[in-house]
Order: sequence, then C-alpha cells, then structure tokens
Amino acid sequence: KQEVTQIPAALSVPEGENLVLNCSFTDSAIYNLQWFRQDPGKGLTSLLLIQSSQREQTSGRLNASLDKSSGRSTLYIAASQPGDSATYLCAVDNQAGTALIFGKGTTLSVSS
Amino acid sequence: EPEVTQTPSHQVTQMGQEVILRCVPISNHLYFYWYRQILGQKVEFLVSFYNNEISEKSEIFDDQFSVERPDGSNFTLKIRSTKLEDSAMYFCATDNGQGGTEAFFGQGTRLTVV
Repeated sequence: KQEVTQIPAALSVPEGENLVLNCSFTDSAIYNLQWFRQDPGKGLTSLLLIQSSQREQTSGRLNASLDKSSGRSTLYIAASQPGDSATYLCAVDNQAGTALIFGKGTTLSVSS
Repeated sequence: EPEVTQTPSHQVTQMGQEVILRCVPISNHLYFYWYRQILGQKVEFLVSFYNNEISEKSEIFDDQFSVERPDGSNFTLKIRSTKLEDSAMYFCATDNGQGGTEAFFGQGTRLTVV
C-alpha cells in the first residue's frame, strides 16, 4: 500500500531564504507526482506535476525534482516571500485516472 | 483559467440527516473524484467516477455514501444518515485522465455534523 511522507511537518523561515520541502513515497511504481498548495480552510491549488518519466519541473520560483527509484521528491522554493506561507502537499498516483495518495503536508511560515 | 466549483461552501446538519454536496467539473474533464480532509489530517480519497459509473473507491466509501451525475453537469456526493465523524472538508476534483495532466480541485465544502 502506497504511503507518502513529508518532512518537515512545519518550517519557519525569514523572507528571502531559499528552502527545500521533502516528500517520500514507499512504492516507486508511480505515474504522476503532484505538488499542491493549501491555504487555511481553503482548497488545493496545483503547483507542479511531474510525470514518472521526468526528473524535474519548474514554475517561476518553484522547482520540483523527482527521483523515482529512491522514492523521493523535493520542492525547492527560491527567495521565499510572506505570501508563500501555506501548507504544501505532495501526492502520487499509480496510473492515469486513479486516486491521488497524499502526504500530510509541510506547513510553511515566512516572516517579513 | 478553468475551475471546479463546489456548493455549498459550508453545510451544518444534524446527526442522522442526509446531505448532498455538489460539484461542477471542468467541462472537458472525464474523471471526477471526491476526497475528504478531517481537520488536521491527510486528504483522503473517497471515490472516482468515469463514464457514469464508479471506477474506484476506498474503504471509507461504504453504503452510507453514493455519487451520481444527475444532469450531465453536476457531480454529487450524497451522505445518508450523517454521523459526527463525517465532519470534514469534502473536495471534488477532476482531470481528463491523460498522462501528465493535473488534477484540479474545488474550494471544498466544509461539512459540520452536530
């Protein structure tokens, strides 16, 4: 059974720092890995999707990498801003059109 | 940008009552999902729906739950005889089922059972 773990559970940094959020999964037979952002009491906003055949994806200040064989992904946030404060969720599926399995998330707080 | 719309945003119901949560999927998407998130816990998969039938469901999705697409646009989750432990945020999600495409989530319905 696929399990997704995110470390750390919480992270506080001053504005401007570069940071890395970690995600690991137990079954390397994934199809897609997706990173989401969740603001308190709100829905999930998709940030980046990495297909199993890809190594990384970039969007603005965000870069996500995938090492499928070791069951790991990282989300790199450059030059963090207070508006980046949110919970970041990692999720995987094992084929198109199937359930996403989520980690518990990393709650990020960026202070000005 | 296309979006998934959920109504209501917040529903309070008495224990034992039935509730229906509604979702309007993105128009060209083919796969529809319901997830729930109990406060402080992980987002959990409930059910997926494709071609007018359930394609996958979790152990959470028991006889208390049902889904349907009654009019070709709305996608609904019905919870019969609600229990206190059904209190959670319920999210609808959709995708087009093709490799490399993102799942889009709605803003959620917060269900409170009292």
